[in-house]
Amino acid sequence: DSGVTQTPKHLITATGQRVTLRCSPRSGDLSVYWYQQSLDQGLQFLIHYYNGEERAKGNILERFSAQQFPDLHSELNLSSLELGDSALYFCASSGGQGALWNEQFFGPGTRLTVL
Amino acid sequence: GQQVMQIPQYQHVQEGEDFTTYCNSSTTLSNIQWYKQRPGGHPVFLIQLVKSGEVKKQKRLTFQFGEAKKNSSLHITATQTTDVGTYFCAGPDGGTASKLTFGTGTRLQVTL
Repeated sequence: DSGVTQTPKHLITATGQRVTLRCSPRSGDLSVYWYQQSLDQGLQFLIHYYNGEERAKGNILERFSAQQFPDLHSELNLSSLELGDSALYFCASSGGQGALWNEQFFGPGTRLTVL
Repeated sequence: GQQVMQIPQYQHVQEGEDFTTYCNSSTTLSNIQWYKQRPGGHPVFLIQLVKSGEVKKQKRLTFQFGEAKKNSSLHITATQTTDVGTYFCAGPDGGTASKLTFGTGTRLQVTL
């Protein structure tokens, strides 16, 4: 158990819909990262938040947005869902400002299926 | 942008055989991390290498960082069924761990 929790574990929805994925980092970790893992794209970095502020963005679609709240939990919002958004979404956390040498602790993931 | 490739994509070995996965980055890395993801699981951090030419060992696992800090390898001696999973290398994009680029991964299958 990494100490990172994600809800829900599974999500099945239809195209065009909007969903919210939730992540609680390990106690004391200020950084939260979101990743998308699909069979053909591997593990893709989406976005990084540190203590409520956005620090880095990957190839995150405009239909996707995220935020980190004062209690440090984070939410990833996916809207106007398409079939291609079906994937495993991981949240990871680490301590510090995302400086060098910070290992990331991954949550169990949310499996999103868009029908 | 930065690209991190791993070879092979997949390897199937018999228990007791050795295994090596190679990681190559398109840019020089300040450090490299390795993660293991078991089937149905999430990535778990294994190790971080920082210095050019660095070699670190964890029991049967040997990790190496290339002299030019653009490549790395993971070698497993005498594989066991518990080694099954996908091994990823990952490097910071632009020198900061704010954005970690993961390699394409090598899936290891071990049979008795």
